Amino acid sequence: QKEVEQNSGPLSVPEGAIASLNCTYSDRGSQSFFWYRQYSGKSPELIMSIYSNGDKEDGRFTAQLNKASQYVSLLIRDSQPSDSATYLCAVNYNQGGKLIFGQGTELSVKP
Amino acid sequence: SAVISQKPSRDICQRGTSLTIQCQVDSQVTMMFWYRQQPGQSLTLIATANQGSEATYESGFVIDKFPISRPNLTFSTLTVSNMSPEDSSIYLCSVPDRGTEAFFGQGTRLTVV
Repeated sequence: QKEVEQNSGPLSVPEGAIASLNCTYSDRGSQSFFWYRQYSGKSPELIMSIYSNGDKEDGRFTAQLNKASQYVSLLIRDSQPSDSATYLCAVNYNQGGKLIFGQGTELSVKP
Repeated sequence: SAVISQKPSRDICQRGTSLTIQCQVDSQVTMMFWYRQQPGQSLTLIATANQGSEATYESGFVIDKFPISRPNLTFSTLTVSNMSPEDSSIYLCSVPDRGTEAFFGQGTRLTVV
């Protein structure tokens, strides 16, 4: 059974702080890793993808991947109230867009 | 990324009835995916819809309950059959882009009463 685990939260951070979201996965054969943001009542929106070990930065977002530890993280710098949402970690293990999702971490950024 | 249109966006249905959800993509894609998101939960894959062949269902989902059609490379439907309140969920279609990235339609919020 392939699994993706996240802390469900809620994670509360003050505006301007760094939010750190974590995810572990069970299948060592997994190749592609994604972070989605989901606002309440909306569908998931892809914000980061990462495929190789190390860091990948895009604006205020940094994804980190450690395949040896089967660990993926998302850092949000200078958090804004508009970042308040549920963040879903997803793993692709067979190519082609079929994903396994974690249960999501609810992030609340307080002004 | 592909533009994905899903309808209806929401519906309230009586138990025992069926609802068909449509998903239209603005480009041709080999595979389309249907997910379910139960209240307060994450996404669970229902099935993969391949053009020209039967859909492939994940464990816990069966064709009699969730029949899927895929008549061409830009369109798919998911039917939720003989509905019960436990089927109240958001249903999402998804298509891959750039190989493995998945993009979602706006979802169908279904309430069964």
